[in-house]
Amino acid sequence: NAGVMQNPRHLVRRRGQEARLRCSPMKGHSHVYWYRQLPEEGLKFMVYLQKENIIDESGMPKERFSAEFPKEGPSILRIQQVVRGDSAAYFCASSLSRSTDTQYFGPGTRLTVL
Amino acid sequence: AQSVAQPEDQVNVAEGNPLTVKCTYSVSGNPYLFWYVQYPNRGLQFLLKYITGDNLVKGSYGFEAEFNKSQTSFHLKKPSALVSDSALYFCAARGNYGQNFVFGPGTRLSVLP
Repeated sequence: NAGVMQNPRHLVRRRGQEARLRCSPMKGHSHVYWYRQLPEEGLKFMVYLQKENIIDESGMPKERFSAEFPKEGPSILRIQQVVRGDSAAYFCASSLSRSTDTQYFGPGTRLTVL
Repeated sequence: AQSVAQPEDQVNVAEGNPLTVKCTYSVSGNPYLFWYVQYPNRGLQFLLKYITGDNLVKGSYGFEAEFNKSQTSFHLKKPSALVSDSALYFCAARGNYGQNFVFGPGTRLSVLP
């Protein structure tokens, strides 16, 4: 019973390039959450998605960042025209339902922008 | 606005001694409270949660946490610490009105042999 999968685990991009991060939730989970963790800091909520719908993107920067969770396939967090300040660990979590269910986290993607 | 505080950046404890990692929260409505542990270069692992019921919650690896409504606290405890418990611990909270999780800044636990 595989947990939350994220790939790539490490991603290096130059300024101005695009970063595409993928997340496959646990089997049976239809709720996906993306978080960003800066060094020595806690996790900051970015976006919450259900299949084909963005439910809450209140934590997403208004520009350059987008997320999707298509009917088939993984959830994608896309960062266009990356800047050095985007360097962070990006974690995906999934849950069975929204209310009281535990969020289970993937191993994260560590993005480094040169 | 929701918030979670972990007042100690670092907690040091000797192996075999009891440990406490502190957490206080501020949410709207009834709180849903969680503890996660993060090992280096890994994702967060769920330890335990409080939703309702008994104020003392038991979780994985011998950890437990006590919900105190009057003090708005949810401190993590373990009777006898192991060196392998050394990691970064995060408290998270949300209210029962459907808000998103808010995480504390984390507490680094070091268990000394």
